[in-house]
Amino acid sequence: SQQGEEDPQALSIQEGENATMNCSYKTSINNLQWYRQNSGRGLVHLILIRSNEREKHSGRLRVTLDTSKKSSSLLITASRAADTASYFCAAAGSNYKLTFGKGTLLTVNP
Amino acid sequence: EADIYQTPRYLVIGTGKKITLECSQTMGHDKMYWYQQDPGMELHLIHYSYGVNSTEKGDLSSESTVSRIRTEHFPLTLESARPSHTSQYLCASSLSGTNTGELFFGEGSRLTVL
Repeated sequence: SQQGEEDPQALSIQEGENATMNCSYKTSINNLQWYRQNSGRGLVHLILIRSNEREKHSGRLRVTLDTSKKSSSLLITASRAADTASYFCAAAGSNYKLTFGKGTLLTVNP
Repeated sequence: EADIYQTPRYLVIGTGKKITLECSQTMGHDKMYWYQQDPGMELHLIHYSYGVNSTEKGDLSSESTVSRIRTEHFPLTLESARPSHTSQYLCASSLSGTNTGELFFGEGSRLTVL
């Protein structure tokens, strides 16, 4: 299994601070994706980074990918209370099927 | 915003009942998926379909069944529900032809079996 594993499992920060979440996976990938899930809702796609990319930005999101270490990180800058959610990484293998990690629960305190 | 809909959002039923969770998408996606997610846990793929009349079992064994008679519709059925089936079920679909694997999710169906 090339399951992603997020770290930390839970993160609590103050509004305005940056939040960093890490993800590790086991086998080679075509791309790695990050999703957000508000409590009791479905997942929403945030950002995708391909295996030949090292860094990608989208608004306040910054994703890095280190294929040699089989790891990725998601940075949310200047966090807001509305960023409170669970964040999942998902590894897309050779057949582009996604395998999800256990997620990081981010709490942003106002 | 993704055009993928799941009904019901919440369902509480007794043991032994037959249930069908509905999932429909209006984006014309060929690929559709069912994931099972317990609270605070990761998602597990239980079924997927790459087109009409195509269904496959996922990574997590499930007693549920699925059908894909129409492109837009991918219902999941439990013939005889048990308390161990209590979970959230998430339906998703993905674009055809781009091969990025990006998924669009419905809001989920939370099933409680008493």
